[in-house]
Amino acid sequence: DSGVTQTPKHLITATGQRVTLRCSPRSGDLSVYWYQQSLDQGLQFLIHYYNGEERAKGNILERFSAQQFPDLHSELNLSSLELGDSALYFCASSVVTAGRETQYFGPGTRLLVL
Amino acid sequence: QQQVKQSPQSLIVQKGGISIINCAYENTAFDYFPWYQQFPGKGPALLIAIRPDVSEKKEGRFTISFNKSAKQFSLHIMDSQPGDSATYFCAASGRNSGANNLFFGTGTRLTVIP
Repeated sequence: DSGVTQTPKHLITATGQRVTLRCSPRSGDLSVYWYQQSLDQGLQFLIHYYNGEERAKGNILERFSAQQFPDLHSELNLSSLELGDSALYFCASSVVTAGRETQYFGPGTRLLVL
Repeated sequence: QQQVKQSPQSLIVQKGGISIINCAYENTAFDYFPWYQQFPGKGPALLIAIRPDVSEKKEGRFTISFNKSAKQFSLHIMDSQPGDSATYFCAASGRNSGANNLFFGTGTRLTVIP
């Protein structure tokens, strides 16, 4: 158990809908990263937040947005969903040890868009 | 474009054998190379990681070999066990590659036959 929690575990929705995925980082970790894992694209970085501020963006669609709240939990919002958005969504929180950042992944949210 | 290339896509090894997974990268700004292990339905879990200032790192049955000049690194699993059957991802990150987000290889599905 990495200490990172994600809810819900599974989500089934229809095209055009909007969903919110939630992530709680490990206690004390200030960084949250979001990744998408799909069969054709593999694990792709979406976005990084540090202590409430957006730090970096990766291959994140404009229909997707995220935020990190004062209690450090983060939410990933996916809107106008398309069939191709079906994937596993992981968040990771990180800790810096000996000058190097290590990311610990949550169990993921499996999203199925029908 | 794939920043980290991983091979093979799948690997079958007899129990007690050596599993070898290879990765290559192009971005010389990468300075951290972790390996993650993922079981079905779970998030990736950090297995072992290396920095480019050393050529090898060993933790139990798992060894990373790193060749900076060739921009290649590999994971060796000695005395492979059925419990090692999982998907393995190499990854890389670097301060100049976009915060500390990880660029993942495409994964290797390892099956260890009893």
